[in-house]
Amino acid sequence: DTEVTQTPKHLVMGMTNKKSLKCEQHMGHRAMYWYKQKAKKPPELMFVYSYEKLSINESVPSRFSPECPNSSLLNLHLHALQPEDSALYLCASSPRAGGPNEQFFGPGTRLTVL
Amino acid sequence: AQSVTQLGSHVSVSEGALVLLRCNYSSSVPPYLFWYVQYPNQGLQLLLKYTSAATLVKGINGFEAEFKKSETSFHLTKPSAHMSDAAEYFCAVSDSSGTYKYIFGTGTRLKVLA
Repeated sequence: DTEVTQTPKHLVMGMTNKKSLKCEQHMGHRAMYWYKQKAKKPPELMFVYSYEKLSINESVPSRFSPECPNSSLLNLHLHALQPEDSALYLCASSPRAGGPNEQFFGPGTRLTVL
Repeated sequence: AQSVTQLGSHVSVSEGALVLLRCNYSSSVPPYLFWYVQYPNQGLQLLLKYTSAATLVKGINGFEAEFKKSETSFHLTKPSAHMSDAAEYFCAVSDSSGTYKYIFGTGTRLKVLA
């Protein structure tokens, strides 16, 4: 299995809702990433997990809460989002975080906040 | 600090013509460089990577890139464009400060004309 999967593909939520995004990989990678991508822009890094521990938080608002239950799974819990949080959320993985290795991206979750 | 510059936010070529997408980097240490392609509403797919081995790197879908240290460039080329090459292309450098996170260029939208 050489892919990163993300569910759901699309998500529409209100500003008072709580929802979660899920990411999964079975490549044995030990680093996983969350990115946010606005239209016509490059991905912006949000979080990095290395060996299931949060290693980088790019000053992301607390309404985004990441979780890494095991080495294959990465979740992003969403609560009280704002309309400007609408974007494509990408998950990625790489063999390790402590080196210049390539990242493998999932197809993304298109999030719309009403 | 490292940075990546992609010249030309939009490039149009005729089908069958040469594709040239420009990427220049700034780095005080030997960089690790990547080209990714993103089709509409999809994640990023790795085209090729430079990791200080051969300066001419061949990737998928007929793309290649040449690392030129003297010009601090890593331009992406393809001899003959196909309609299916129409997409957004991102150049990225792996940060060498210890985090190894990606620093993305702003992207180039490739349009292929019939």
